[in-house]
Amino acid sequence: AQKVTQAQTEISVVEKEDVTLDCVYETRDTTYYLFWYKQPPSGELVFLIRRNSFDEQNEISGRYSWNFQKSTSSFNFTITASQVVDSAVYFCALSEAPSNTGNQFYFGTGTSLTVIP
Amino acid sequence: DGGITQSPKYLFRKEGQNVTLSCEQNLNHDAMYWYRQDPGQGLRLIYYSQIVNDFQKGDIAEGYSVSREKKESFPLTVTSAQKNPTAFYLCASSGALSGANVLTFGAGSRLTVL
Repeated sequence: AQKVTQAQTEISVVEKEDVTLDCVYETRDTTYYLFWYKQPPSGELVFLIRRNSFDEQNEISGRYSWNFQKSTSSFNFTITASQVVDSAVYFCALSEAPSNTGNQFYFGTGTSLTVIP
Repeated sequence: DGGITQSPKYLFRKEGQNVTLSCEQNLNHDAMYWYRQDPGQGLRLIYYSQIVNDFQKGDIAEGYSVSREKKESFPLTVTSAQKNPTAFYLCASSGALSGANVLTFGAGSRLTVL
């Protein structure tokens, strides 16, 4: 079963609009971590945020904010006043408690965001 | 600057040839990973290694091989047994044997089979 679901395949917004990228995850672990990464056209994934399962506080970093809700198993990402430079593919990821072979990361299929000037 | 270097950035291969993608990191990270990215399918794990001389198969290891002889290096060989090797390959590393540390990614290698 898919552990991380990003139902939005592609989103287009006009510059300065707000946009929310959805992420729903599935795990039976009580300790886990959630991540968001940005992949610009150059291809390299850039880390944006990590949250652990015990910290449900929302976080804001400049125009970026994240809403973590365990009750709905969601970790949504909002970009306020979007800019053309925000155009990229965004990945949500989950890491569960490490096994004896280490910990794996499970990625969603990504949401491609296009910001139109 | 610390980081992950992948080479080559672009690679063309004829059918039936093996190719090796290089991944080197100077972050002193213990764990290293190889992912494959296809359009619309996100990242799929090929192999990962938590320590030198040890590695584990990921979800799509068939047709691939790896080695981890040095902490800094984790090369991936795409063998002729891989039926559909055209893809974007990403190498990543993380800093500890336990705990969910952040993955640091290289810039990727794009392999095209002619």
